[in-house]
Formats: sequence, structure tokens, C-alpha cells
Amino acid sequence: QSVLTQPPSASGTPGQRVTISCSGSNSNIGSNYVYWYQQLPGTAPKLLIYRNNQRPSGVPDRFSGSKSGTSASLAISGLRSEDEADYYCAAWDDSLSGYVIFGGGTKLTVL
Amino acid sequence: QVQLQESGPGLVKPSETLSLTCSVSGGSISSSYWSWIRQSPGKGLEWIGYIYYTGTTKYNPSLKSRVTMSVDTSKNRISLKLTSVTSADTAVYYCARDYSSNCPPAYWGQGTLVTVSS
Repeated sequence: QSVLTQPPSASGTPGQRVTISCSGSNSNIGSNYVYWYQQLPGTAPKLLIYRNNQRPSGVPDRFSGSKSGTSASLAISGLRSEDEADYYCAAWDDSLSGYVIFGGGTKLTVL
Repeated sequence: QVQLQESGPGLVKPSETLSLTCSVSGGSISSSYWSWIRQSPGKGLEWIGYIYYTGTTKYNPSLKSRVTMSVDTSKNRISLKLTSVTSADTAVYYCARDYSSNCPPAYWGQGTLVTVSS
């Protein structure tokens, strides 16, 4: 089983806009919804984006998601120090008998 | 708001069976899908599988031969068993509620660390 491909690290300064990419294939991102999670140190992942671009209640609109073909992106605008965390993408994969596949994670540093 | 709490032994010996429970509070376990996910120390996330309140399951193909999930609607909890564990199974184990079938998990419990060691 492979994972979705994310850059291992990203960085930005406060107020800046940063994007994190997530690359997959036709069997996962190409044919299913993409989800994004934020994981602060020592805590459980928190859902940021579901169904490509939907925000759960309580998630600021500074966070947005998009998808095109077999790739997806998470954008964070108005970067804040509290956004420093690990970010993961995920999708259902239709191969084998079907399973959830995660990205390797991106460590976001706020400079 | 539904809350999830994982519980179980923090230490399991190699070759034995890992058993965890996820207690659901603030809502019914019925009419939802429930997932287990794990995260090895310093590593990424791995989906273990999901179970519907009716008992329907789907497991990660890479773990399928060793995983069993069950649901107890009377106690509002789900359970995970992973057999023949090795040190590679050392991880934080999370349970989560899904929006629907065949999709990534939505709302996660706080997780519980399980170490496999003699």
C-alpha cells in the first residue's frame, strides 16, 4: 500500500498564505473525496476539511481545501503562530477491497 | 457532542493479542460508522478499519488477517482486537466517528498508547 504524497515540511510568516499539496492517483483522490486534518503536538488529529472543500462547524474560514484531478491542496491564509502543527490529507482508495489512505504528513512551521 | 474514549492495556507482550475499547458518550452508537486508526511514534497515520453499528466491518487489507472489530450497542462501545502483535504494532490507537461508509474518519478520540514489549 502506498500513501498520498505530501511535502514533509512547509513554512510561512504570520499573516502569510501557505498551501500544502497532496498527490494521489485515480483510485483515491481521482475518484473520492479528500479530507484534511490538523494535529497539534501531543493531541489527536482534528478534522479541518471534508469532502474536498467543506469546513466542519468551528473551523475558521482561513482554512480552505481544493481538488483537481488526482491532487488536492490545503490553503491557510492569515497564518498564525497557533497554526504550527502537522497536517495530513486522506482519501478512500478503491483498490484491493477499499481502504482509507493517508498522506505522510506536512510539518508546518510559522517563522 | 459525541465524545470518544479509548481504553485498554498500555503494554502487550509480543505474540499476544491487543484489545482496546472505545466508549461513546453524548450520543448513540447507532446509525454511525466507527473507525480505528493508529499512529506509530513519530510516524504517520494508518487506518485499521471501520465497523457499522449493525456489525458490518471493513478492514485494512494489510491488517485484515489479524484484526477483529465488534460493537456493543447496549453499552455504547466498540472494540478492537489485533492478534499476534510485534513491536511494529506499538502505536497510539485512536477510535473515531465517520460521516458515512467508505470515507476517512471525522471526529477522533484522544487516543491511547499501546507498547508491545516483553
